[in-house]
Amino acid sequence: QVQLVQSGAEVKKPGASVMVSCKASGYTFTSIDINWVRQATGQGLEWMGWVNPNNGHTGYAQKFQGRVTMTRDTSISTAYMELSGLRSEDTAVYYCVRLGYYGSASWFNWGQGTLVTVSS
Amino acid sequence: QSVLTQPPSVSAAPGQKVTISCSGGSSNIGSYYVSWYQQFPGTAPTLLIYDNDKRPSGIPDRFSGSKSGTSATLGITALQTGDEADYYCGTWDKSLNAGVFGGGTKLTVL
Repeated sequence: QVQLVQSGAEVKKPGASVMVSCKASGYTFTSIDINWVRQATGQGLEWMGWVNPNNGHTGYAQKFQGRVTMTRDTSISTAYMELSGLRSEDTAVYYCVRLGYYGSASWFNWGQGTLVTVSS
Repeated sequence: QSVLTQPPSVSAAPGQKVTISCSGGSSNIGSYYVSWYQQFPGTAPTLLIYDNDKRPSGIPDRFSGSKSGTSATLGITALQTGDEADYYCGTWDKSLNAGVFGGGTKLTVL
């Protein structure tokens, strides 16, 4: 079965960067995009962007342009999301999500989430 | 402020039916399929409905989805206390060139 296993919780100071990893299994990693979605405590879901594991191409929500970088390592079927210039408003649970199929806006499989806390 | 609009909360009694609406515009719901997600406290969301009205394997047929124009609806019949959760709609927005979600609806089964 498809599984996305994310790295553990992080505590960062304002201005720092954080990298969250997402290891995929149960399917061909390069066959479909990985998206990243975050959720602040008590808030809704916020889409951040996507990475194509096959060619490394990316697309980011305008809000995160210039601060987020999504990459992948096909040798270990792992996707990464790095967010820089952290501020308190970035405190949230970050999810990696497997897109259902190209052309869809359906996020089929979700990682367990990684809590990133930004605090001085 | 979410691009897609959902009611903050809905409630109904066990055994009853409830619907949750999701309103958008021509650049999102009007142009793309809609999906729905269920989220219990402290856990990741799970896919409930995709392509407007399709259920992934394992999702009971008590859950249904529909779309008309720039709005979509999630229906849940024969409500159970275990259905108490937050529900989100999602789709793509071609103007933003981004995925978008509703603000979420908290379902209470009285």
